[in-house]
Amino acid sequence: DTGVSQNPRHKITKRGQNVTFRCDPISEHNRLYWYRQTLGQGPEFLTYFQNEAQLEKSRLLSDRFSAERPKGSFSTLEIQRTEQGDSAMYLCASSPLGDHSNEQFFGPGTRLTVL
Amino acid sequence: GENVEQHPSTLSVQEGDSAVIKCTYSDSASNYFPWYKQELGKGPQLIIDIRSNVGEKKDQRIAVTLNKTAKHFSLHITETQPEDSAVYFCAATETSYDKVIFGPGTSLSVIP
Repeated sequence: DTGVSQNPRHKITKRGQNVTFRCDPISEHNRLYWYRQTLGQGPEFLTYFQNEAQLEKSRLLSDRFSAERPKGSFSTLEIQRTEQGDSAMYLCASSPLGDHSNEQFFGPGTRLTVL
Repeated sequence: GENVEQHPSTLSVQEGDSAVIKCTYSDSASNYFPWYKQELGKGPQLIIDIRSNVGEKKDQRIAVTLNKTAKHFSLHITETQPEDSAVYFCAATETSYDKVIFGPGTSLSVIP
């Protein structure tokens, strides 16, 4: 199965610590998205990469959040000085450019718990 | 920006019955409407989608309809099975970079 993978699947951290998540998109998918999902809600858009360029960031993405996609393949999402309100599922999705560029395929997510 | 509403929030049906989930969207420029199924502890899985130039699409037991004038779209699942139990999200994509705007979800329970 060559779907979207995310690591780690679960992360428990103490308030104030930094955490980093990784997303490996489907091979050759140029577009990569990060979303955040809190309990009982639908996912909310955080940021978008086309190849290595970060083209859009939601206002949900505070200064403590940073995302990179240095070589246009995998991406990392870092949260600095975590707060309890950061507890959520962080989802990554990828899609190709071209005819099916709308179709986003999601990874299993990283569940973050901030104590 | 786009806003998607979804009803009902919970739905319980007997195995074999049909289930219908209804959604509305706000941005008339949206042109792609995916539906996702999310099982506990997993990421959303794309199950069917419809584009704005089509009024209806069917894939085995699943069908979606779209009314662009009214900005309504619906998911129909026929002959429901226990494995259909999950949270279903309707969504619309904003024309800006195709980011997906999700509805709040419908928790479907299929009772054997």
